[in-house]
Amino acid sequence: QVQLVESGGGVVQPGGSLRLSCAASGFTFSSYAMHWVRQSPGKGLEWVAFMRYDGSNKNYPDSVKGRFTISRDNSKNTLYLQMNSLRADDTAVYYCAKASSSFTYGDAAADYWGQGILVTVSS
Amino acid sequence: QSVLTQPPSVSGAPGQRVTISCTGSSSNIGAGYDVHWYQQFPGTAPKLLIYGNSNRPSGVPDRFSGSKSGTSASLAITGLQAEDEADYYCQSYDSSLSGSSVVFGGGTKVTVL
Repeated sequence: QVQLVESGGGVVQPGGSLRLSCAASGFTFSSYAMHWVRQSPGKGLEWVAFMRYDGSNKNYPDSVKGRFTISRDNSKNTLYLQMNSLRADDTAVYYCAKASSSFTYGDAAADYWGQGILVTVSS
Repeated sequence: QSVLTQPPSVSGAPGQRVTISCTGSSSNIGAGYDVHWYQQFPGTAPKLLIYGNSNRPSGVPDRFSGSKSGTSASLAITGLQAEDEADYYCQSYDSSLSGSSVVFGGGTKVTVL
């Protein structure tokens, strides 16, 4: 069965950096686009980053563009999110999610989600 | 301020039908991009409920249905059950001259009375 397991979260000071990982199993990771989505405490879902199956296309919202970088290692079945210049409003549970399509540029549904990992930005 | 607009809450008695609207614009839903719906219980990850406007993944009860028209979409729950009490989010794709992005609605809390 499909499994997505996030790791690397924790408490970081404002201006600091953190790298999240998402270990994938149960499907051909190299064939599917992936997302990072976050949820601040008590708030709704916010898309954070997208990467196509082969890394040929990456996309970010303005709120994280230039600070966050999505990457993947298809040989390790792992998705990453490098987060730099972290701010208090980046505090959230971060989910990795598998796109339901191989060739989507972001419009396909996210059919499987990890359990989420908490990132807290605080001094 | 979410790109897709959902009512903050809806409620209904067991057995009733409730609908959740998701209103977008000509750069997302109105441009022909699909709408997807997710269900989320407190403290858990979202779960895909409806994809491609009106399709249910395997295992999703048929009391959940989706539709899309113009710049809006709707999720309907018929025969509301206590276990349907959760948060529901719509998602689509937005593309304009300033770029493209995945967009979510602000979420709707469904309360079973």
